[in-house]
Amino acid sequence: GAVVSQHPSRVICKSGTSVKIECRSLDFQATTMFWYRQFPKKSLMLMATSNEGSKATYEQGVEKDKFLINHASLTLSTLTVTSAHPEDSSFYICSARSGFVGSGNTIYFGEGSWLTVV
Amino acid sequence: GNSVTQMEGPVTLSEEAFLTINCTYTATGYPSLFWYVQYPGEGLQLLLKATKADDKGSNKGFEATYRKETTSFHLEKGSVQVSDSAVYFCALLLNQAGTALIFGKGTTLSVSS
Repeated sequence: GAVVSQHPSRVICKSGTSVKIECRSLDFQATTMFWYRQFPKKSLMLMATSNEGSKATYEQGVEKDKFLINHASLTLSTLTVTSAHPEDSSFYICSARSGFVGSGNTIYFGEGSWLTVV
Repeated sequence: GNSVTQMEGPVTLSEEAFLTINCTYTATGYPSLFWYVQYPGEGLQLLLKATKADDKGSNKGFEATYRKETTSFHLEKGSVQVSDSAVYFCALLLNQAGTALIFGKGTTLSVSS
């Protein structure tokens, strides 16, 4: 079964509104979660690294005021797309890293969230 | 820098054909290596992984061996099925706290009956 749950799986919102996507680790505590964006037929683009209890680290070119990331607990991270525009329409995927540094850790992915801004 | 290079797709095969998707990497230290699969309209699923040199990851008939000498982690399957049609991503994970997966660009596999 899934160890990382993402919600909602699909969302349609109006241009100018904000939408929140949740990412939960179900079987483990994730001190670090990652948010990716995937354009059609493209690879995953890392948007930001979310650390529990601290500010997210954004990749170059990603607007931190537009893509708000909160990692309030060891099992939950949220991505809020603020003042959404049609060009924000995309597939957003979260992932969580289990375990500590060492050979046993693995990254698990959520099911992804399709965002359509109309 | 750290990076993953995958063979360009799409790869088109007939059912029961042999599959190889090449993957090479550049990394500092000794990363863990992964293959993820993405079916149409879905998120990523871990297919297999290897955490040290000479390890072989295997799952659902797919295999990949961590080759440190050639910095490679090629994905193979002896007999593909139509249901294997998907996008396959090779990735590495540095052995450092808080680092994200580094992905290749993905290879689309299309299997016809």
